[in-house]
Amino acid sequence: NAGVTQTPKFQVLKTGQSMTLQCAQDMNHEYMSWYRQDPGMGLRLIHYSVGAGITDQGEVPNGYNVSRSTTEDFPLRLLSAAPSQTSVYFCASSRLDRSSYEQYFGPGTRLTVT
Amino acid sequence: TQLLEQSPQFLSIQEGENLTVYCNSSSVFSSLQWYRQEPGEGPVLLVTVVTGGEVKKLKRLTFQFGDARKDSSLHITAAQPGDTGLYLCAGTFFNAGGTSYGKLTFGQGTILTVHP
Repeated sequence: NAGVTQTPKFQVLKTGQSMTLQCAQDMNHEYMSWYRQDPGMGLRLIHYSVGAGITDQGEVPNGYNVSRSTTEDFPLRLLSAAPSQTSVYFCASSRLDRSSYEQYFGPGTRLTVT
Repeated sequence: TQLLEQSPQFLSIQEGENLTVYCNSSSVFSSLQWYRQEPGEGPVLLVTVVTGGEVKKLKRLTFQFGDARKDSSLHITAAQPGDTGLYLCAGTFFNAGGTSYGKLTFGQGTILTVHP
């Protein structure tokens, strides 16, 4: 099992450009989510999905879009990149377990917007 | 938005010392998790606690969940340089309907450095 994979590992964008961060998992997990991590702020939830065709907003959704057409894939789209979106982005997946929602994280994508 | 306060933010100690990291919220957790993250990698789950008063041990790490399920602590005994990393607590909360959210709320993290 590869677990949760993310591509690319590093990316530099100019302000106004768009791009898609890829995330895939091979554990047949229903729940997938995207977080951003900034110094001193832990991880903040951007969007999440409880299954194919179902997505919802997290704590900081503005400027990001998601879709979930398959169980395995959950791409994150930046519509018009801004310097405030410079961050490290993590994708995570888990089973839909009512007691815990233990999450498995990918290795992250480090994004810089100039 | 549920808030989760983690302290201290930084901890620098010598090998062999003990330490405790705290995680607190004004709301009741339905479950609480502790993660460890190393530079350049994603967080890795250490433990999940779901029952008030629960204590779990993982080698030299002891995790406690408060009786009221509003706080948790991570205690490391005889810290070693290999314990160096970012420690994150994360909780799920009950929604108004009394069921558990799937969303995790993370604390700000504790950067632990253990010097040889």
